[in-house]
Amino acid sequence: DAKTTQPTSMDCAEGRAANLPCNHSTISGNEYVYWYRQIHSQGPQYIIHGLKNNETNEMASLIITEDRKSSTLILPHATLRDTAVYYCIGPSAGGTSYGKLTFGQGTILTVHP
Amino acid sequence: GAVVSQHPSWVICKSGTSVKIECRSLDFQATTMFWYRQFPKQSLMLMATSNEGSKATYEQGVEKDKFLINHASLTLSTLTVTSAHPEDSSFYICSVGTGTNTGELFFGEGSRLTVL
Repeated sequence: DAKTTQPTSMDCAEGRAANLPCNHSTISGNEYVYWYRQIHSQGPQYIIHGLKNNETNEMASLIITEDRKSSTLILPHATLRDTAVYYCIGPSAGGTSYGKLTFGQGTILTVHP
Repeated sequence: GAVVSQHPSWVICKSGTSVKIECRSLDFQATTMFWYRQFPKQSLMLMATSNEGSKATYEQGVEKDKFLINHASLTLSTLTVTSAHPEDSSFYICSVGTGTNTGELFFGEGSRLTVL
């Protein structure tokens, strides 16, 4: 699995964009980057994933650098309900690692009024 | 996606007793389910992979005789913590993958076990 590095914590004002960085310098060419979040005392929630192109869905945008060594998750208009631990995960591609997500410590995002 | 439900949400038991946690895939027939656990202030760790109709696959360091997994149908997997001890107190979370992408999992709400 690709090792990922994230800041321990970040703050964001409600209504502003939250930009969460992740370094994954050891990621290989066929490894996707996945983002999950975990609100306190709940199960993780899938947010988005990408390989090398930028991705956007109804929850967030994912910007991946051209060398794929880092990425940024963007929550365009953060709300108080976005306060959670955000995990950047780089599992190995292929069936042998199916479902085996390696969660690091993630980034604690606190959205304040 | 898939909607995954767990029961119970929380349970308190006495040391030495056994506790069963259910994980249901409500709208997807899951041949494979995954059990994770999360100790307080720690991240999630995969415990085992539950396979419908066959034995579960356990991660290194997880005792298969202590954490019994049964996946008798495509919509239900159960985790039984046998002879529970206080150190088994944790947040147990199951997940389902729909197979379209290896890293996209749908998690249940989690079950918090407290062993007294």
